[in-house]
Amino acid sequence: GDSVTQMEGPVTLSEEAFLTINCTYTATGYPSLFWYVQYPGEGLQLLLKATKADDKGSNKGFEATYRKETTSFHLEKGSVQVSDSAVYFCALTGRGSSNTGKLIFGQGTTLQVKP
Amino acid sequence: GAGVSQSPSNKVTEKGKDVELRCDPISGHTALYWYRQSLGQGLEFLIYFQGNSAPDKSGLPSDRFSAERTGGSVSTLTIQRTQQEDSAVYLCASSQTGTTNTGELFFGEGSRLTVL
Repeated sequence: GDSVTQMEGPVTLSEEAFLTINCTYTATGYPSLFWYVQYPGEGLQLLLKATKADDKGSNKGFEATYRKETTSFHLEKGSVQVSDSAVYFCALTGRGSSNTGKLIFGQGTTLQVKP
Repeated sequence: GAGVSQSPSNKVTEKGKDVELRCDPISGHTALYWYRQSLGQGLEFLIYFQGNSAPDKSGLPSDRFSAERTGGSVSTLTIQRTQQEDSAVYLCASSQTGTTNTGELFFGEGSRLTVL
């Protein structure tokens, strides 16, 4: 079945460092890909998404590119801030009339940014 | 409502008791999902509702778990004879439709269940 694999955390960075969180997926067909973020004490919220190959999703300085050839959707940010400390989840959903909109999530990666 | 609302936010219960968790989705959202978030396990899909019917119950871990949705709105997840391994945060999400391939899910803040 469909699955998502993320790099294990926690990831600890200093403020203004470059961030990469790896995400690879296994899916039939052509899924849509998402990154969700869960800030401390808050619910999950959508960070960015991409719906087809070579699309780049971006938001709040974060970017991720849908790479079909490597089945990847790595999350990057050029300069992290303390306020980016959160748990990041990569997810996919299928396409087609049988799709329920159900998201399949990775395990989550905890990011801690130190001042 | 403005967002997905879940209650209770925290529930502590004794092993063997039944618990009910409630989700009130965003008004007008026809699709509703329950997930479970356990420490170190990520988010595990439990069940999906489209309107009042549940075409995908594949994630319910045992027959102790059930869910219903009435009036195309509020949903209740019931866990009977709770076990310690049921301890987790139960998340509810809703979206405008379950058949879109780009749909964003809107999540509540979750109900934290602790089984002693």
